[in-house]
Amino acid sequence: QQQVKQSPQSLIVQKGGISIINCAYENTAFDYFPWYQQFPGKGPALLIAIRPDVSEKKEGRFTISFNKSAKQFSLHIMDSQPGDSATYFCAASYSGAGSYQLTFGKGTKLSVIP
Amino acid sequence: NAGVTQTPKFRILKIGQSMTLQCTQDMNHNYMYWYRQDPGMGLKLIYYSVGAGITDKGEVPNGYNVSRSTTEDFPLRLELAAPSQTSVYFCASKFRDREEQYFGPGTRLTVT
Repeated sequence: QQQVKQSPQSLIVQKGGISIINCAYENTAFDYFPWYQQFPGKGPALLIAIRPDVSEKKEGRFTISFNKSAKQFSLHIMDSQPGDSATYFCAASYSGAGSYQLTFGKGTKLSVIP
Repeated sequence: NAGVTQTPKFRILKIGQSMTLQCTQDMNHNYMYWYRQDPGMGLKLIYYSVGAGITDKGEVPNGYNVSRSTTEDFPLRLELAAPSQTSVYFCASKFRDREEQYFGPGTRLTVT
């Protein structure tokens, strides 16, 4: 059972455009929702994260929108640049379990073309 | 401060062989994790540890073993390698009171 569903699988955006990646979760106990960025041959790195007590968080060109009632959250990349080309993973975790283990979506490969 | 380091970077194993993937972190993190990443499948948790001497199973533990004798090291053992264990393996760590997990560069393992 996949607890975090991510779409689209791949995304091509022109330079300067907006990239949008969506995720949906099933477990209402999740209380931490990070996005990780991964470049080829590297490990994932935390990009931005949100908790369910806020509906939006912005860091530079990156924004998370969170809809608790719909159990959905999304990543928006404004003014997308070729350097943003990477694979993006959404994830979720439940702090009450004590392990803080992350459940990941399957990933979105973003290509920003000049 | 090297962060999370993993060795080897690449390895080819024959079916039935065994090996240990090494993971070391120098950030004094309490929690450590092993994930595997298969194409188009995201990352799945194999094992985790909340401190030295304490380990527990994740989502896909079969065929693997771990130990945590020190805060710094969290090796992953494959006893009888199978083609299904062909994957990229990532180690990660974090502080007890912080959410962010820091990932190593990964080990690409092929079992033939």
